[in-house]
Amino acid sequence: QKEVEQNSGPLSVPEGAIASLNCTYSDRGSQSFFWYRQYSGKSPELIMSIYSNGDKEDGRFTAQLNKASQYVSLLIRDSQPSDSATYLCAVISGYSTLTFGKGTMLLVSP
Amino acid sequence: DADVTQTPRNRITKTGKRIMLECSQTKGHDRMYWYRQDPGLGLRLIYYSFDVKDINKGEISDGYSVSRQAQAKFSLSLESAIPNQTALYFCATSDWAGTSGDTYNEQFFGPGTRLTVL
Repeated sequence: QKEVEQNSGPLSVPEGAIASLNCTYSDRGSQSFFWYRQYSGKSPELIMSIYSNGDKEDGRFTAQLNKASQYVSLLIRDSQPSDSATYLCAVISGYSTLTFGKGTMLLVSP
Repeated sequence: DADVTQTPRNRITKTGKRIMLECSQTKGHDRMYWYRQDPGLGLRLIYYSFDVKDINKGEISDGYSVSRQAQAKFSLSLESAIPNQTALYFCATSDWAGTSGDTYNEQFFGPGTRLTVL
C-alpha cells in the first residue's frame, strides 16, 4: 500500500512569515511529486511539481525533494492570509496515478 | 471558459436512484480521472482512463461505473446510490510524458460535484 503522510495541522503562522509544509512517502520508486492548494469546498489547484532532488522555486513557493529520505516539502515565503488553505502532497509511482496525502491545513493570521 | 467542467455541481438524490456525473475538458488531454473526497479520508481514486479504449479501476471502484464517450468526456455513474456515497466528486485530466516533458502527468481538476444521497 503506497502511502503519503502529512501532518494534518493546523499550521499557524503570522503574516509575512515562512510556512513550512512537510510530506513523506512510502514508495521508494516514486517518480513525480506535486503540491496542490485547496480552499474549503473548492477543487485542488496545482501549485508546484518537482521531479529531481533539490529545490525548485516559483515566486513565493519553493518545493524541496530528498528521494533518499523520501521527503518532500513546500516553503511559502512572505505568507499572506490568502494562503490559508489545505495543502495536499501528491506522489506518482508505478502506473502513473496520483496518491494523495490527507493534507495540512495552513492558517495565516494578519 | 473553464478547461475542465463538471455537471451537475450539486445533486441531492435518494437511496437506490441511478446517478450520472459528467466531466468535459477542453485541454486536449488523453488521461482522465474520477476522485471522491471525504472529510478525514482525503482524495481517493475511483476510476481512470488513459485513452478512450483504456478504462481502469482505482482504489474504490465498487458501486461505481464509468464511460469514456470521447477524448473530452468521461462520465461516472452510481448504479444504485447509497448514503455512504455522499461526498465531493472531482474529475481531473492530465497529459502524458511523451508530449509534455516536465509537465509529466500534472493533473488538473474540475470544480467538483457535491453529491448527497439521502
